[in-house]
Amino acid sequence: GIQVEQSPPDLILQEGANSTLRCNFSDSVNNLQWFHQNPWGQLINLFYIPSGTKQNGRLSATTVATERYSLLYISSSQTTDSGVYFCAVMDSSYKLIFGSGTRLLVRP
Amino acid sequence: DVKVTQSSRYLVKRTGEKVFLECVQDMDHENMFWYRQDPGLGLRLIYFSYDVKMKEKGDIPEGYSVSREKKERFSLILESASTNQTSMYLCASRGDYGYTFGSGTRLTVV
Repeated sequence: GIQVEQSPPDLILQEGANSTLRCNFSDSVNNLQWFHQNPWGQLINLFYIPSGTKQNGRLSATTVATERYSLLYISSSQTTDSGVYFCAVMDSSYKLIFGSGTRLLVRP
Repeated sequence: DVKVTQSSRYLVKRTGEKVFLECVQDMDHENMFWYRQDPGLGLRLIYFSYDVKMKEKGDIPEGYSVSREKKERFSLILESASTNQTSMYLCASRGDYGYTFGSGTRLTVV
């Protein structure tokens, strides 16, 4: 099956810093999403991005499908950005395959 | 925005009880999913459904069943709850622009 790898596994930032999270996947996919899981456990959809670049405020994402990777950029980080960021891809049977996540802590 | 609503945020149940976790989506999506999330094990797919009255086993269906009588509602059933089913349960719906998850149900079986 499709493998999804995320890096780094853990990241600590000072408030205001920028960061880049990476997601590599092992096969061509129909869909790629980035999620943020907040401290209460809710998975919030950040981007649906099977290819190309999207921006939403301080967050942006780029997927290069031909090279099988995606990047999530966080600029001017805030303490509310803390949590776990998951990359997930959809296989041919529409099941979502998750990476193991990047745990982000933003310190004030 | 698509809304996926799970009926309870927190539940505490006794071993052996029959437990129902309810999930409702409001965007007429055909595909719905149940995951559980455990520390160190990530998110694992329990069951999914492509349409009303259809169900498919995911990766860890043992001890669970599901019901999809109406398109908007997908229920997860723990036939006889056990302590190893203590977990975070997440329901999701899939549309043209990806998956949307509910806020999760944290179930504790004592």
